[in-house]
This record gives sequence, structure tokens and C-alpha cells, in this order.
Amino acid sequence: DADVTQTPRNRITKTGKRIMLECSQTKGHDRMYWYRQDPGLGLRLIYYSFDVKDINKGEISDGYSVSRQAQAKFSLSLESAIPNQTALYFCATSGPKGGPQHFGDGTRLSIL
Amino acid sequence: QQQVKQSPQSLIVQKGGISIINCAYENTAFDYFPWYQQFPGKGPALLIAIRPDVSEKKEGRFTISFNKSAKQFSLHIMDSQPGDSATYFCAAFRGYNAGNMLTFGGGTRLMVKP
Repeated sequence: DADVTQTPRNRITKTGKRIMLECSQTKGHDRMYWYRQDPGLGLRLIYYSFDVKDINKGEISDGYSVSRQAQAKFSLSLESAIPNQTALYFCATSGPKGGPQHFGDGTRLSIL
Repeated sequence: QQQVKQSPQSLIVQKGGISIINCAYENTAFDYFPWYQQFPGKGPALLIAIRPDVSEKKEGRFTISFNKSAKQFSLHIMDSQPGDSATYFCAAFRGYNAGNMLTFGGGTRLMVKP
């Protein structure tokens, strides 16, 4: 979905490095989410944000942090990357009354 | 432990056949059940969804069947086409006040052979 843009699309880095994944949206949605996708496990929620001042932990937040810089921007950080954080990461948005979540095209992250 | 269990993990169907993907859930607080379709290099996109007060929903070749008492739901793709080859995720949603929380199944990789 071009309305939800993730950068970078691919990243290879080393254990212990700090990494930031960025997400921006032009849909005007208040709610934003970060998921990771692993084979056989589907997508699992890392963090979500209802608005700029409201950030919540998801199912698997350990080892991650987020920042909601503006309504349209939500970034995910790995403070000290480890190999088991190698995965596909997706950002998603949704409107204030619920409704479908709209996903970006993902960032493929490899940690060596 | 996954709250939404999806099967099979992979599925091969001949063109024109019926593809069937099954999901089961435990949490009765789920109140909306969407299916997402994902092509390689793309994010998941909403395909079709159902609420638990309805037993079946059909959109074109795609049908969701829902069995509330068994806590199961399934996706049927009729007249499957090579363009349907993708990964499909079932999901369960917990109320707007719970932050649009989606819980996903593990995914099914569908291949439709021409």
C-alpha cells in the first residue's frame, strides 16, 4: 500500500548494532502498529500507538522501542540487534473507529 | 501459544479447483474475523472479513464460513486461479476499545498450478 511507506526495504547488519526502521503514512490515520513476520508464526504485534502521546506494548516488545514523532510517522528501533530479530517487519495503520489495518510493504531485516 | 491456529501451512491446488484454509480460535472475546492476502514483497491486504453473528459471507470467488459454536472459520476460494497464489492469513480482532488488536494465524502458502 503506497499510502504506508517503510524504509529501508532491506537491511543487513551485525549483532549489537542499533537499527531504526521508519514508517510514514499519508492516510491520515491515528493508529499505527509495528509487526514482525516469521515463517509459520504469522504476524505478531510489537508496539502500537493510538496517537502521538499514546504508545503501548504489544505481544513481543522485548528488545524493541518505538517513537511516534508525528501523526504520520512511527519508527521502530532495535537498540542492540541480535540474530533472532532477523525477520520481516511491517508497519500498519487504521482509523480511529477501527476498521481494516493497512500495511506497508515491509522491511526485510537480517542480523548477522 | 498461538491464539489463532491455521492449517494447512501450504496448499497446492490445480487451476479451477477449490482451495480451503481453516482456522480455529479460543478467545470468545474476538468479534471480527478478517482474512488477509499477501503477495511476495508486499504487505498483507484485507481480502474478506466476517462477524460472528453471520455463518457465511461471499465476495466473488471467496467465501468465509464461520462456526461460532466450534470456534472455527474457513476460507474457500472457488475456481482457484494462478493469480491467487499467495500467502493467506486468517486473523481475529478484539473490539475497538482494545485498540484494533489483530491476532494472526500462522499463514498458508497457496500455490495454484496452471
